Amino acid sequence: DTGVSQDPRHKITKRGQNVTFRCDPISEHNRLYWYRQTLGQGPEFLTYFQNEAQLEKSRLLSDRFSAERPKGSFSTLEIQRTEQGDSAMYLCASSLQEDTEAFFGQGTRLTVV
Amino acid sequence: QKEVEQNSGPLSVPEGAIASLNCTYSDRGSQSFFWYRQYSGKSPELIMSIYSNGDKEDGRFTAQLNKASQYVSLLIRDSQPSDSATYLCAALDSNYQLIWGAGTKLIIKP
Repeated sequence: DTGVSQDPRHKITKRGQNVTFRCDPISEHNRLYWYRQTLGQGPEFLTYFQNEAQLEKSRLLSDRFSAERPKGSFSTLEIQRTEQGDSAMYLCASSLQEDTEAFFGQGTRLTVV
Repeated sequence: QKEVEQNSGPLSVPEGAIASLNCTYSDRGSQSFFWYRQYSGKSPELIMSIYSNGDKEDGRFTAQLNKASQYVSLLIRDSQPSDSATYLCAALDSNYQLIWGAGTKLIIKP
């Protein structure tokens, strides 16, 4: 197992376009998290899954953001009608259980122009 | 509002010295605490976890937890230039959500 994998590593998109990111967690990890991080800040929680169930979504998150985790394996994060303020590093992490360490993927850096 | 507080730094430490990073948390229900290292432009990398009061050592790293004072620290012995990074402290709250500090930037001077 090579750890958490994210794709793509970098994405440049024009404002108003939709983008989708993929995350493959460590196998057998039940929990999967999505975070967003901007320069000088800690990771900002977006949403998380316990297996295929999306248990929580940040109240700060616009309805332009949606995430799925079909069959409790990989997850996708979609941003519709991107805005310049969406430019950030999008991080995925997974953990075996709710109270164990979370391991991060390499991240997807989004630039909206 | 649950919070994790860290001094943003930068904290400058001479090579070979001990670097001491500190973190406080607000949720008394938190039971698990984590230190991550993040190099510029990269994702966070887990370096230490601690669950019980006291010290936990792993190589050059020692994590310290004091639940009564709601205080977590990370000591890095024999600091190396490669330790220069931002160190993020995270607490797992009573709802099993990770609460993150903004990170402390550490600079090790050769």
